[in-house]
Amino acid sequence: EPEVTQTPSHQVTQMGQEVILRCVPISNHLYFYWYRQILGQKVEFLVSFYNNEISEKSEIFDDQFSVERPDGSNFTLKIRSTKLEDSAMYFCASTPFTRETQYFGPGTRLLVL
Amino acid sequence: AQSVTQPDIHITVSEGASLELRCNYSYGATPYLFWYVQSPGQGLQLLLKYFSGDTLVQGIKGFEAEFKRSQSSFNLRKPSVHWSDAAEYFCAVGPIIQGAQKLVFGQGTRLTINP
Repeated sequence: EPEVTQTPSHQVTQMGQEVILRCVPISNHLYFYWYRQILGQKVEFLVSFYNNEISEKSEIFDDQFSVERPDGSNFTLKIRSTKLEDSAMYFCASTPFTRETQYFGPGTRLLVL
Repeated sequence: AQSVTQPDIHITVSEGASLELRCNYSYGATPYLFWYVQSPGQGLQLLLKYFSGDTLVQGIKGFEAEFKRSQSSFNLRKPSVHWSDAAEYFCAVGPIIQGAQKLVFGQGTRLTINP
């Protein structure tokens, strides 16, 4: 069964450094998403992406964040200058054309020191 | 504003006992409704979903959920839990509209199984 994959599974970085989180959505899916889950808190929507542009973004998704689909398979989330409060689990998700069900990857745990 | 409430942060049940996890939502209309499960160190796995039709939906691993419009609830049930059901369970809602749809998640309920 096709799955969403994410790399790396864990990343530790210093405050102020740039990080890129990578996702490979399910191959025939068209809509892509990033969510995050700060330890002990809800899973929160960050951004959705369709047809090479952002469809919707939350107030969390400020200028420090960007997303890109650099090729036909990868979907990336970049954090330009990480802050301590960016420490969280980041989930990628994708949906097919029908948009009904989002399939999530295993997540990347980011720790900012 | 859209919101999802899972009143129980932590539930402990004995193996073989029945289970009900509560979920209430606040929404302008009937949304799409989902239950996801997150095992330790794992991602979010879809258990089941409700879009329309029969208000009792069946999912994987023996789970079911019932949509009650009058109570704005979508409670998850299992008649007999197994030790492998220990995990965090998330209720989520999504809008039935055109375009990419963000999900709004509840706080999650952590399920512990006693042997």
